[in-house]
Amino acid sequence: AQTVTQSQPEMSVQEAETVTLSCTYDTSESDYYLFWYKQPPSRQMILVIRQEAYKQQNATENRFSVNFQKAAKSFSLKISDSQLGDAAMYFCAYRFSNQAGTALIFGKGTTLSVSS
Amino acid sequence: DSGVTQTPKHLITATGQRVTLRCSPRSGDLSVYWYQQSLDQGLQFLIQYYNGEERAKGNILERFSAQQFPDLHSELNLSSLELGDSALYFCASSAQEGVSPLHFGNGTRLTVT
Repeated sequence: AQTVTQSQPEMSVQEAETVTLSCTYDTSESDYYLFWYKQPPSRQMILVIRQEAYKQQNATENRFSVNFQKAAKSFSLKISDSQLGDAAMYFCAYRFSNQAGTALIFGKGTTLSVSS
Repeated sequence: DSGVTQTPKHLITATGQRVTLRCSPRSGDLSVYWYQQSLDQGLQFLIQYYNGEERAKGNILERFSAQQFPDLHSELNLSSLELGDSALYFCASSAQEGVSPLHFGNGTRLTVT
């Protein structure tokens, strides 16, 4: 079964600094997709960044970038120039695609706090 | 705004009761997903519908059921409610399986007393 593991329940960073959130996953699939979602205190789920497994190039969205290591099944999120608004719960998610369905499987999340 | 609408925002009910949560997907999205998020827990996948048909099931209890209607809106029915069913229930939609990301609604907060 596919699983997603986020080994850091909590992380902290100071404004303007860089922080990396870790995520590993387990799958036997070759075609899949990886995502990072942000959940601020409002509890809304916000897509931060996505990565297709067949792409070797790491995805980047403004201050957010990923380090995708397919062989190691690792998908970490780097937040550069951290801002107070980045404080949230971050979820790593995996999505496979086969004829049976395309469920999105989430890790348990990492709570990021940002201090000024 | 994700374009996914969930109603109601909050729901308080007693044990043993039945409730219905409603979700309208983004315009054009054919897939609807239901997730449960309990306190301090990640999101647990419940069920997926694609263009009116059930496509995948996760950890959905037999007391829970869902359907997707011809206009693509979906309803999640929770019956014989227990205290442990108190959670945030999210609906998400996507345009195409295996390609598009999921876009989430703001959730329905269910409290069972």
